[in-house]
Amino acid sequence: SAVISQKPSRDICQRGTSLTIQCQVDSQVTMMFWYRQQPGQSLTLIATANQGSEATYESGFVIDKFPISRPNLTFSTLTVSNMSPEDSSIYLCSVGGGPLYGYTFGSGTRLTVV
Amino acid sequence: RKEVEQDPGPFNVPEGATVAFNCTYSNSASQSFFWYRQDCRKEPKLLMSVYSSGNEDGRFTAQLNRASQYISLLIRDSKLSDSATYLCVVTGATNKLIFGTGTLLAVQP
Repeated sequence: SAVISQKPSRDICQRGTSLTIQCQVDSQVTMMFWYRQQPGQSLTLIATANQGSEATYESGFVIDKFPISRPNLTFSTLTVSNMSPEDSSIYLCSVGGGPLYGYTFGSGTRLTVV
Repeated sequence: RKEVEQDPGPFNVPEGATVAFNCTYSNSASQSFFWYRQDCRKEPKLLMSVYSSGNEDGRFTAQLNRASQYISLLIRDSKLSDSATYLCVVTGATNKLIFGTGTLLAVQP
C-alpha cells in the first residue's frame, strides 16, 4: 500500500489566520481525499482532490474555507482559511487502494485554534 | 438515520475473551466494506476488508450480510493490544468512504 507523509503533525494557530497542510505520497494516485476528525467524532470527508481538476467538496464544506491544490499525482495541500476555534480538529489525507487493499491515511495534522 | 451505525461501546472485556462488533449501513448500493482500527490520537489503519463470503485473518473474522445490510467483526482470544476504536467503513458513491462513529474496545488484564 502507499506510504503518505503528512505535515505538519500539529500546530497551534491564532484565529483569523490560515494553515496549509501537505501530503506527499510515495506513488502516483488518481484521487486523494481530505478528512476532518473533530474531537470524539469519526471521520468526515471534506473533499476529493483529482489531479488537473478542481476538488469536489462535500456538503457543508466550501472551497473558500478549505482550498485544495493537487499539482501532480503524488502531492496535495489543504488550507484551512480564516480559522476559528471550531476548526480545531485532526485533518487527514488519504489515498485509495480499492476494495482489496483499502485506503491508507496520513498520520494526521492536529490543529488547535486559539 | 446515519449512513453507517455502530454501537459506540465501550466494550470492556477481559484478556482472552471473544468480542463481537456489529455495524449496519443504509445504502444498499454500497460495494466495499472495511474494518479499520484507530488507536488513541493516531490515524485509522486498515484491519481487514470484508468480503461477501466472510473472511478470517488470525483471531479476526469479518462477516457481511448484504440482505440485512449488516457487517460484523469477531475478535477471539482478546489481547491487551487489541484495545482501540474499531471503525466500520463502507464505500458510497464514487468510492467515497463513509465512516461509522466507531466502537471502543478496552481489554482488561
